[in-house]
Amino acid sequence: DGGITQSPKYLFRKEGQNVTLSCEQNLNHDAMYWYRQDPGQGLRLIYYSQIVNDFQKGDIAEGYSVSREKKESFPLTVTSAQKNPTAFYLCASSIGRETDTQYFGPGTRLTVL
Amino acid sequence: GQNIDQPTEMTATEGAIVQINCTYQTSGFNGLFWYQQHAGEAPTFLSYNVLDGLEEKGRFSSFLSRSKGYSYLLLKELQMKDSASYLCAVTDSNYQLIWGAGTKLIIKP
Repeated sequence: DGGITQSPKYLFRKEGQNVTLSCEQNLNHDAMYWYRQDPGQGLRLIYYSQIVNDFQKGDIAEGYSVSREKKESFPLTVTSAQKNPTAFYLCASSIGRETDTQYFGPGTRLTVL
Repeated sequence: GQNIDQPTEMTATEGAIVQINCTYQTSGFNGLFWYQQHAGEAPTFLSYNVLDGLEEKGRFSSFLSRSKGYSYLLLKELQMKDSASYLCAVTDSNYQLIWGAGTKLIIKP
């Protein structure tokens, strides 16, 4: 069964702590993305990667970091520098960035206490 | 700036037809997507338009007019499970997806 998985579904963090959100795909897609979704707003791109060992900042990269050491995996770290991290985080992948439909994982809801 | 406008919320009756509009102003255009998102879940792909006209897929159809910067999603024979948010997204000249805030559709019996 091909798809995208994100874990955990819900995550709680204390202020000042870094936290890493997992994203794995077995669709053999080259491109992967991280979005943030807040109520009443469209999805906002945090980071994207078109190929292993390469990634680019999106519109709201400040306070976040990523890595792409394997094609299947694109973890996102929310650092303590992110001012307002409470949000719903969505990971997506596509065959190649320039065409294609993006397929989403189930999301991680992060709450900062 | 780049902008995508959709109504915030719409209400329709089970069995009826509803049209959700999307207008966009973007730097270039390389296609328009519609996604469905149930509360607390991931968006799922519904349709893609890159040429003008109507694309039909079962109960759902999507229309595009590039000259007007306008699209709509048409849902027929509404079912309660169609209660969800519908997201419009446009691929700009840099092949980046620009997302609308979504339209929350409420279906009443």
